[in-house]
Amino acid sequence: QKEVEQDPGPLSVPEGAIVSLNCTYSNSAFQYFMWYRQYSRKGPELLMYTYSSGNKEDGRFTAQVDKSSKYISLFIRDSQPSDSATYLCACRGSNYQLIWGAGTKLIIKP
Amino acid sequence: KAGVTQTPRYLIKTRGQQVTLSCSPISGHRSVSWYQQTPGQGLQFLFEYFSETQRNKGNFPGRFSGRQFSNSRSEMNVSTLELGDSALYLCASSSGSGGVLDTQYFGPGTRLTVL
Repeated sequence: QKEVEQDPGPLSVPEGAIVSLNCTYSNSAFQYFMWYRQYSRKGPELLMYTYSSGNKEDGRFTAQVDKSSKYISLFIRDSQPSDSATYLCACRGSNYQLIWGAGTKLIIKP
Repeated sequence: KAGVTQTPRYLIKTRGQQVTLSCSPISGHRSVSWYQQTPGQGLQFLFEYFSETQRNKGNFPGRFSGRQFSNSRSEMNVSTLELGDSALYLCASSSGSGGVLDTQYFGPGTRLTVL
């Protein structure tokens, strides 16, 4: 079993819909949780990070962490075709190394 | 500020050959990490170099090696290529401060195809 599980998709939704992307993890030592976005033919770029449990909002994006269930989520409101990309979750514990999910391919249909 | 650059962008090799990939980090960054990305496995950590020393290493065979130069540029070498080595190889640079929020900035990757 991988330390960080993420459904690879693809997830296809109509423009304007609310998108929910999720990851589960197994290591309770993880403290920092990140979401990266990767467009085709590009490297990943950091979208958001959260520490411990709770929510963090940035524009149309909300990151949520539930440490009790080891579940992390990224919500995208009013989704746009430009949001079409692969979204990767990553977890970091005290040893500094990032552990990555497989990435979910998101397609926003106009 | 220039981003992370990787060369070459695309590479085709045959089984048994070796390959060297290059990464130039963002100016001032001292840490360079290498990842292998495949559709089935996602991002797999290869190794991290900081100030010319390997600081962390993932679970890859000894055929995968790397080094970092005094100007922080890094190279990654794969010897005796196998078909399964076909992947996107990503390089990421960071300040290397060791803080948990030391953000990694990725290059565009080198697409390696092994025939």
